[in-house]
Amino acid sequence: EAQVTQNPRYLITVTGKKLTVTCSQNMNHEYMSWYRQDPGLGLRQIYYSMNVEVTDKGDVPEGYKVSRKEKRNFPLILESPSPNQTSLYFCASSLWGDEQYFGPGTRLTVT
Amino acid sequence: QQQVKQSPQSLIVQKGGIPIINCAYENTAFDYFPWYQQFPGKGPALLIAIRPDVSEKKEGRFTISFNKSAKQFSLHIMDSQPGDSATYFCAGLNSGGGADGLTFGKGTHLIIQP
Repeated sequence: EAQVTQNPRYLITVTGKKLTVTCSQNMNHEYMSWYRQDPGLGLRQIYYSMNVEVTDKGDVPEGYKVSRKEKRNFPLILESPSPNQTSLYFCASSLWGDEQYFGPGTRLTVT
Repeated sequence: QQQVKQSPQSLIVQKGGIPIINCAYENTAFDYFPWYQQFPGKGPALLIAIRPDVSEKKEGRFTISFNKSAKQFSLHIMDSQPGDSATYFCAGLNSGGGADGLTFGKGTHLIIQP
């Protein structure tokens, strides 16, 4: 089954404790992206990757890092999480960036 | 940040009615306009999309109307059902832009009453 998977689905952590949210797709897509979803703000892009080893900032990249060492994986790294990063996070993938397929989401709470 | 403005924020329609959600965009380089449907606890799912070379696209009960000169597009749901109750997001994309991803509207929470 073609899908985008994210882990973990739920995470509660404390300020400053480094964490990684994994994202994997099995569709051989070139393009992958991370979004955060906040009430009243919709979906905002954090980082995206057009291909392996190619990443770039989206609209709200501060406090986040990504890497793309393999085509199928695109982890999101929060090196020192803060409470304002409490949000619902989605990974998405696409062949070229247009028809994007979203993962199930990761709900992160930073206390 | 080039915006996509979506309205209304919320909408309640009786079963069988035709909810209409509107979006307006600023970036004239956008050439791909998708609509996503999101149910609680799920990720957004691509519903239907249009490119500006056509003024209308239908897929089942869902129709996008597109007005390039006004920089507006809208989603119509025919014969709406309670199962259509969800949050809907419009978006715009410059597919040749490289540096730009999807720019989303803020969403419309749609309730179809039985």
